[in-house]
Amino acid sequence: DGGITQSPKYLFRKEGQNVTLSCEQNLNHDAMYWYRQDPGQGLRLIYYSQIVNDFQKGDIAEGYSVSREKKESFPLTVTSAQKNPTAFYLCASSIEGADTQYFGPGTRLTVL
Amino acid sequence: AQSVAQPEDQVNVAEGNPLTVKCTYSVSGNPYLFWYVQYPNRGLQFLLKYITGDNLVKGSYGFEAEFNKSQTSFHLKKPSALVSDSALYFCAVRDSTGANNLFFGTGTRLTVIP
Repeated sequence: DGGITQSPKYLFRKEGQNVTLSCEQNLNHDAMYWYRQDPGQGLRLIYYSQIVNDFQKGDIAEGYSVSREKKESFPLTVTSAQKNPTAFYLCASSIEGADTQYFGPGTRLTVL
Repeated sequence: AQSVAQPEDQVNVAEGNPLTVKCTYSVSGNPYLFWYVQYPNRGLQFLLKYITGDNLVKGSYGFEAEFNKSQTSFHLKKPSALVSDSALYFCAVRDSTGANNLFFGTGTRLTVIP
């Protein structure tokens, strides 16, 4: 997990509220990613960014938004439009053009 | 379309015995293949990858994996299992032509029995 931090570790949200998950990396990586993990489904890509000020939707982007204003930071907002947001969220980063993604420790979001 | 299959949800092995965790893949171009391990409530840790070259890839913690192009497989192996190897293992693939995002299998839970 070294080099990539996610906060908070646990997050609780009431229905109808937006919430933002933090992801920071000090690896000088160009590319960053957000995944959602649900039991028995592996990891699914929400959004990714290959460079500052640019990002692309992944397979399950509906109800989520991101920004990439700085190379080190890639925050994910879970909006009230996301119908089933309770999950474990993982952030990752990689060197542009290389292939290995390195993951943060994750944030477990629970909607009450 | 890219996809990964991990046919076994659960693998049990006795401590000291060899272990195998299976993975098959489908990609449109040349595959880049990865194995990650996840301990409870933690992020994924990179174990090893195959990009090109020798079909047998050696990685962290004594793990290795063999790329088999004809069988489109990339099984994870270790000669002698440790109790501490008990975890959730993910295989992932991307092709050589697309973006850098990975496609993950659904994971295999390995339990090493003392």
